[in-house]
Amino acid sequence: EADIYQTPRYLVIGTGKKITLECSQTMGHDKMYWYQQDPGMELHLIHYSYGVNSTEKGDLSSESTVSRIRTEHFPLTLESARPSHTSQYLCASHPGGQGRETQYFGPGTRLLVL
Amino acid sequence: GENVEQHPSTLSVQEGDSAVIKCTYSDSASNYFPWYKQELGKRPQLIIDIRSNVGEKKDQRIAVTLNKTAKHFSLHITETQPEDSAVYFCAASKGNKLVFGAGTILRVKS
Repeated sequence: EADIYQTPRYLVIGTGKKITLECSQTMGHDKMYWYQQDPGMELHLIHYSYGVNSTEKGDLSSESTVSRIRTEHFPLTLESARPSHTSQYLCASHPGGQGRETQYFGPGTRLLVL
Repeated sequence: GENVEQHPSTLSVQEGDSAVIKCTYSDSASNYFPWYKQELGKRPQLIIDIRSNVGEKKDQRIAVTLNKTAKHFSLHITETQPEDSAVYFCAASKGNKLVFGAGTILRVKS
């Protein structure tokens, strides 16, 4: 298993709360990604980063924001959670470069907003 | 941008039979094609991948074929077992970002 971690694994929270989902990897990977996935459904890219101080929005519009201050960490923040944010959030990383494109996924955070 | 279509959306096979999942992509510059398996409640895990300079790759019961001209690639699982039941995702990329197919639910009936 790749060393990529996500916390919390499960989160139930009320509408309007601010939440931060943590993602960290100990492999020194430059490239990191956040995906949103409803159970058994397609993975939608919502944010990505190619290195420290680099962040980009993904293909799926999201009200979340991300930061990349350190190589190891790529937290995702929702300023005001809504029921429509209920989903699973998966973090992934890879080193980048030719022959090193394989993305490794974290275990995911299941978010339920009441 | 890249678009990946995956078929079928669900597939039921008898244990021991073969399963084939097909994907097409739109960007001819894509050069990396991984396949992920996601069991219920688990993270997606890479099971096999192929690069554009190769036409076929095998790993025990799993094989992937790539047709660059037609822009499609397929996953073949032989001698299916109940533990092969999962959701399978194909993806394509030409650098860093992966574009995923919508997934195939594979059920292996024993």
